[in-house]
Amino acid sequence: KAGVTQTPRYLIKTRGQQVTLSCSPISGHRSVSWYQQTPGQGLQFLFEYFSETQRNKGNFPGRFSGRQFSNSRSEMNVSTLELGDSALYLCASSFSGRLAEAFFGQGTRLTVV
Amino acid sequence: AQKVTQAQTEISVVEKEDVTLDCVYETRDTTYYLFWYKQPPSGELVFLIRRNSFDEQNEISGRYSWNFQKSTSSFNFTITASQVVDSAVYFCALSEAGTSGSRLTFGEGTQLTVNP
Repeated sequence: KAGVTQTPRYLIKTRGQQVTLSCSPISGHRSVSWYQQTPGQGLQFLFEYFSETQRNKGNFPGRFSGRQFSNSRSEMNVSTLELGDSALYLCASSFSGRLAEAFFGQGTRLTVV
Repeated sequence: AQKVTQAQTEISVVEKEDVTLDCVYETRDTTYYLFWYKQPPSGELVFLIRRNSFDEQNEISGRYSWNFQKSTSSFNFTITASQVVDSAVYFCALSEAGTSGSRLTFGEGTQLTVNP
């Protein structure tokens, strides 16, 4: 069974640009969550999608958005990039999301210069 | 609001030593789940265990064991006879039943280094 796949693995962007990250969950999983990991703030929840609907949202500005497609694949978009957005972005998939174990991808390392 | 605290930022041991990683949590919910994840240098979080708030039985899986004590709001993780391959960052996390959907609150993580 294939794991969670995140693309790309590495990205370098310039301040002010926008970026889109992709996550393909484990087959059959309908919940996809996104987390940001930085040395200063640790692992922080961004949002969760279930059956194409955002079901939960963390405390991030509106520059961070996401969506989920009918095949459960999810994308995360960050607009008007800031230096502080440099982080490892991790995607997690689970069957139902509710209290279920989440399986993580290897992440996308975003560097904003 | 929920919170997870891992007071040990870094631990260094010599191979074959036993090591315990501490985790203390705060929640107002009576129904919740606790998790441990391992993050090797490659970056992905590897799921280790999930424990619900109504099950305080300790669990053992090979060299790993977990001690859940609701009275002290702790969910500690012990590695017996540590190995170099255990070197990683370990995260404790909490998910509350009252939260719509899935939302993990993570601790700060403990960097474990096992030296040969």
